[in-house]
Amino acid sequence: AQSVSQHNHHVILSEAASLELGCNYSYGGTVNLFWYVQYPGQHLQLLLKYFSGDPLVKGIKGFEAEFIKSKFSFNLRKPSVQWSDTAEYFCAVNNNAGNMLTFGGGTRLMVKP
Amino acid sequence: DTAVSQTPKYLVTQMGNDKSIKCEQNLGHDTMYWYKQDSKKFLKIMFSYNNKELIINETVPNRFSPKSPDKAHLNLHINSLELGDSAVYFCASSQDRVVWFFGPGTRLTVL
Repeated sequence: AQSVSQHNHHVILSEAASLELGCNYSYGGTVNLFWYVQYPGQHLQLLLKYFSGDPLVKGIKGFEAEFIKSKFSFNLRKPSVQWSDTAEYFCAVNNNAGNMLTFGGGTRLMVKP
Repeated sequence: DTAVSQTPKYLVTQMGNDKSIKCEQNLGHDTMYWYKQDSKKFLKIMFSYNNKELIINETVPNRFSPKSPDKAHLNLHINSLELGDSAVYFCASSQDRVVWFFGPGTRLTVL
């Protein structure tokens, strides 16, 4: 079975600081990887996704993520965060044989103005 | 037009009651899902239907019964509600497991 770990449960940053949120998954085969954001009281929105090709993927709102197959990681980055990035961030994985998205436990990001 | 819609958005009810949450997607996707997000924000799959057929049924109490009248709808009926059922329930749809859309969520509060 696939699983996803997000080691940072809570992250507090000041505006303009750089962000990196860790995501590791466990599955030996081909995977599709996703990052979702959930703003307070809202539903999940897709930030970016990786299926194949260039392991560095760029998403919306200035976010990017790098797939490192050897480390089973898909960390999310943003060079300079804004107060409006305050939200919960979820990493998710789906393997080609499976029928569902498996989510990590989420990382709550708070950006101080 | 909303891709995945859920009703109601908020649901407050007493323990022991029976309630339903409805979900509709207008994307033409073949697969629909119910996820539960608990108070710690953890998201867990509950059910998945593909073309009206149940394909995933995780360890969910049998008080929860999904129903898919057609591939655009996946409703969730919950019998004998318990305090622990309080959560946000998200419906989602997918096409070929590479495109995923989530509904706005239904916040269920059991008193």
